[in-house]
Amino acid sequence: AQSVTQPDIHITVSEGASLELRCNYSYGATPYLFWYVQSPGQGLQLLLKYFSGDTLVQGIKGFEAEFKRSQSSFNLRKPSVHWSDAAEYFCAVSSDSNYQLIWGAGTKLIIKP
Amino acid sequence: GAVVSQHPSRVICKSGTSVKIECRSLDFQATTMFWYRQFPKKSLMLMATSNEGSKATYEQGVEKDKFLINHASLTLSTLTVTSAHPEDSSFYICSARPLADSYEQYFGPGTRLTVT
Repeated sequence: AQSVTQPDIHITVSEGASLELRCNYSYGATPYLFWYVQSPGQGLQLLLKYFSGDTLVQGIKGFEAEFKRSQSSFNLRKPSVHWSDAAEYFCAVSSDSNYQLIWGAGTKLIIKP
Repeated sequence: GAVVSQHPSRVICKSGTSVKIECRSLDFQATTMFWYRQFPKKSLMLMATSNEGSKATYEQGVEKDKFLINHASLTLSTLTVTSAHPEDSSFYICSARPLADSYEQYFGPGTRLTVT
C-alpha cells in the first residue's frame, strides 16, 4: 500500500535561515509527488510536483524539492525562509490508478524572528 | 486561474440538523471533485470522489447516507452532512480536477463545521 511519511510534526527555523522538510514515500512504481502548503484561511496551494525527468524540481515562492529514488524521499528545501512561509506543509503521492492523492501528516513550519 | 470556492467558510449547527457545503470551480470545468476531511493536527482524509452526473465513490468507513454528495454540474458539487452530531465537527475541504487524466487538483479554502 502506498504511504507518505513526514517525520517532523513541526519545525522551527529562524527567518533568513535555510529550510528542509522531509518526506518519504512508499510506492511500488514511479511515484508522482507533490508538495502543498496550507495557510490559515486559504486553500491548499501546490508548491511543486515531480512526475518525471530532472529530479530537482523548482516550485513557487523559492521552494525546490529533490526526488531521490534510492532513498524514497522527496524533501522540500528553501535557501532562506521568510516570516510569510509560516504554514503547514503537506507532501503527497498520487495513485495512478485513480489519480487520488495520498497525504503525509503534514509539517508545521514556525518562523522565529 | 483554477480557483475553487467553498461556501460557507464557517458554519455552526445544532445536533440533529443537516448542513450543506458547496464547492464550485469558478473558472474551469471539473470532471471530478474530491471531498476531504481534516482533523486537527492531522492530514487530509479522502471521504469521497464525485464525478459529474454519476454517484460518488466513498472511501471505506465513510457513511454514504450521512455524507450525501451531489455533483450536479461540471462546476458544482455539494456535501450534505445529515443529522449532524458533535463528532462530525471538522474541517471539510473540496478539490476539483479539471481533466480526467490529470493529477492536478485545485483546492477550496475549506469549511469549518461545528456541531453543538
